Amino acid sequence: DSGVTQTPKHLITATGQRVTLRCSPRSGDLSVYWYQQSLDQGLQFLIQYYNGEERAKGNILERFSAQQFPDLHSELNLSSLELGDSALYFCASSGTGTSVSEQYFGPGTRLTVT
Amino acid sequence: GNSVTQMEGPVTLSEEAFLTINCTYTATGYPSLFWYVQYPGEGLQLLLKATKADDKGSNKGFEATYRKETTSFHLEKGSVQVSDSAVYFCALSPYGGATNKLIFGTGTLLAVQP
Repeated sequence: DSGVTQTPKHLITATGQRVTLRCSPRSGDLSVYWYQQSLDQGLQFLIQYYNGEERAKGNILERFSAQQFPDLHSELNLSSLELGDSALYFCASSGTGTSVSEQYFGPGTRLTVT
Repeated sequence: GNSVTQMEGPVTLSEEAFLTINCTYTATGYPSLFWYVQYPGEGLQLLLKATKADDKGSNKGFEATYRKETTSFHLEKGSVQVSDSAVYFCALSPYGGATNKLIFGTGTLLAVQP
């Protein structure tokens, strides 16, 4: 158990809908990351927050947004969903934002868009 | 830009065989290097890491050495077990800058047969 929790575990929704994925980092970790794992794109970095502020953006679509709250949990919002958004979405956390700091991954949320 | 290249899988081995999974990277400066493992139906777990040239990361019988001259971080294990069957991801975290996002290779599926 990494200490990172993600809810829900599975999500099935229709095209055009909006969903929210939730992540609670390990106790004391300030940095939260979101990654998308799909068969065609592999594992891709989406966005990073550090202590409530956006730190870096990767290949995140404009239809997607995220935030980190004062209690350090984070939410990833996906809107106007398309079939191609079906993927496994991982959250990870680390103590700091530096390159030597290892990331601990949650179990993921599997999103299926029908 | 930064990128990671891993050998294509699947890799199929018999129990107690020697394992090598090749990983090379492209990056500026001195990135941190990681191997993550994903067991079926689970999230990613950090297997080992190295943060500077000639460092050797090791864990659970797995080893990898950070080779700056060949920009490589090959994963090795002397004697694999059936329980090592999983997908292995090589990753880098860029040196310096504002983020320690992970850039992953495509993953290598390892299947160990009894």
